[in-house]
Amino acid sequence: DGGITQSPKYLFRKEGQNVTLSCEQNLNHDAMYWYRQDPGQGLRLIYYSQIVNDFQKGDIAEGYSVSREKKESFPLTVTSAQKNPTAFYLCASSSRQGPYEQYFGPGTRLTVT
Amino acid sequence: EDQVTQSPEALRLQEGESSSLNCSYTVSGLRGLFWYRQDPGKGPEFLFTLYSAGEEKEKERLKATLTKKESFLHITAPKPEDSATYLCAGVTGGGNKLTFGTGTQLKVEL
Repeated sequence: DGGITQSPKYLFRKEGQNVTLSCEQNLNHDAMYWYRQDPGQGLRLIYYSQIVNDFQKGDIAEGYSVSREKKESFPLTVTSAQKNPTAFYLCASSSRQGPYEQYFGPGTRLTVT
Repeated sequence: EDQVTQSPEALRLQEGESSSLNCSYTVSGLRGLFWYRQDPGKGPEFLFTLYSAGEEKEKERLKATLTKKESFLHITAPKPEDSATYLCAGVTGGGNKLTFGTGTQLKVEL
């Protein structure tokens, strides 16, 4: 079955700690994305990558970092510099040159106290 | 600035009561308009892509349409299992970044 996996489903951390969220896809997509979803707000783009070893900041990249060493994997690190890290994080992937629909993983809910 | 606006924010229907959700966009060079369904605590599930004004797509009780300024998701004779948040998003000529609306939360009651 092709798809996107995210782990873990729930994550709890103390303030001041960095945390890494996993995202893996086997859809053979070149492009991958990280979004943050907060109640009452649309999905906001954190980072995206269109090819291995290359990534760009999205609209809300401050306090986050990513890497793209393999086509299948795009981990997101939430650093201690992110002021409001508690949120629902979604990873997605798509073809780089169209069609552009993005396919999403099940999400990781991060709670920082 | 690219913007996607969805209305209403929430909609409550009786089973079998057809209605439409609206997605209006001010996106320059729109290359595609997408509809997703999202259940609570889950990732969005892709439903439709529309590329040009006049295009229509259907899936079971759902039909998506596109004009030059907006898209509609028509729900015919909905059932309780259609209850979810429906998201729309546009992709512009600058690449494959999506701009999402805030969604319409649909509840279908018996």
